[in-house]
Amino acid sequence: AQSVTQLDSQVPVFEEAPVELRCNYSSSVSVYLFWYVQYPNQGLQLLLKYLSGSTLVKGINGFEAEFNKSQTSFHLRKPSVHISDTAEYFCAVRGYNFNKFYFGSGTKLNVKP
Amino acid sequence: GAVVSQHPSRVICKSGTSVKIECRSLDFQATTMFWYRQFPKQSLMLMATSNEGSKATYEQGVEKDKFLINHASLTLSTLTVTSAHPEDSSFYICSALGLAGAKNIQYFGAGTRLSVL
Repeated sequence: AQSVTQLDSQVPVFEEAPVELRCNYSSSVSVYLFWYVQYPNQGLQLLLKYLSGSTLVKGINGFEAEFNKSQTSFHLRKPSVHISDTAEYFCAVRGYNFNKFYFGSGTKLNVKP
Repeated sequence: GAVVSQHPSRVICKSGTSVKIECRSLDFQATTMFWYRQFPKQSLMLMATSNEGSKATYEQGVEKDKFLINHASLTLSTLTVTSAHPEDSSFYICSALGLAGAKNIQYFGAGTRLSVL
């Protein structure tokens, strides 16, 4: 079974400041890792994913995430946030042979001017 | 453009009525459809998985007689919330899995916000 933990339910940050959204997972099998963003009243949009290879993954909108197998983490980072980054961010895992996603509880990023 | 179309995007209904939500895969054939539900301030939880032409597999705690899923074709799955009650108010999202060439692809729909009065 898999589970995903996002410890921070809300992260307030000022515009142009760096941000890190934390994600830890547990799984008895190897997994793929994902970050999705959900803007108000919209569906999920894929930010980035780790399937294999380099542990540093770059996504859209200037976001990146680093897979750390020993710490079972996949934290999301952005060096300088914009007001438009205000949204809810979900970390998710999926087993290699399974197509069910397991989502974290989400982190609301609130970027202030 | 969107590769998974979900309709309607928003629906308001009276308690006791049934609501049908459609999920269509565009430009690819979805052998498997997943239906998720997101309650306010909570994460998405998988409700059921359906393979084309087969009965859906429901997650524990999800009432199959209340949430009817039909996956009659490779491009369309429907979720019908029967005899909806206010506690069914939620955000429902589908995800379609299929093949594009030799590669598996999976996309999410934009979601349907259901409000039951």
